[in-house]
Amino acid sequence: DADVTQTPRNRITKTGKRIMLECSQTKGHDRMYWYRQDPGLGLRLIYYSFDVKDINKGEISDGYSVSRQAQAKFSLSLESAIPNQTALYFCATQGPAGQDGYTFGSGTRLTVV
Amino acid sequence: GESVGLHLPTLSVQEGDNSIINCAYSNSASDYFIWYKQESGKGPQFIIDIRSNMDKRQGQRVTVLLNKTVKHLSLQIAATQPGDSAVYFCAENNAGNMLTFGGGTRLMVKP
Repeated sequence: DADVTQTPRNRITKTGKRIMLECSQTKGHDRMYWYRQDPGLGLRLIYYSFDVKDINKGEISDGYSVSRQAQAKFSLSLESAIPNQTALYFCATQGPAGQDGYTFGSGTRLTVV
Repeated sequence: GESVGLHLPTLSVQEGDNSIINCAYSNSASDYFIWYKQESGKGPQFIIDIRSNMDKRQGQRVTVLLNKTVKHLSLQIAATQPGDSAVYFCAENNAGNMLTFGGGTRLMVKP
């Protein structure tokens, strides 16, 4: 099994719908991150968490919310999806003390129509 | 080379040649740097890292060079293969030990 698992892998949803993207990890890491990637662009940070129930906004948090109820799980929600949220979403974890690189999931491709 | 912007720069190399991908980082206080490889439809994968007390580190077919004076990082891939075709990102740690990612460079390997 992958260290960082994202579900679903692909999703098409309608404008205005609420959608949740799930991320779970088996690495035992405290730090978890959600990134968005648009075609031909780099990674932009949406939200991050350093511990259970710790939530911090990234550079593009508007229109998104997250939940960290357990160390292994970090979910991202779009409360009312809009077409410009169509993108590839990545979850990542980071080792203890933050002195290591990130381990990324395989991504969720979200299309809002 | 690397740039932080809206369009991915592209490096095209012949199979078997060496590739050099460059990255300019922003924070002179950063002490840890990583190169990631992202293949189409997949998440970024760790390639190699380097700490600021080093200026060179070698892996299997890859070498990372760090020039702290000019805040420049490079990734060298020896004998580039078709499987090396991907987007490559550099990353630096920042305050709070979080990573800041560069915009990425697309490497295309011609057979």
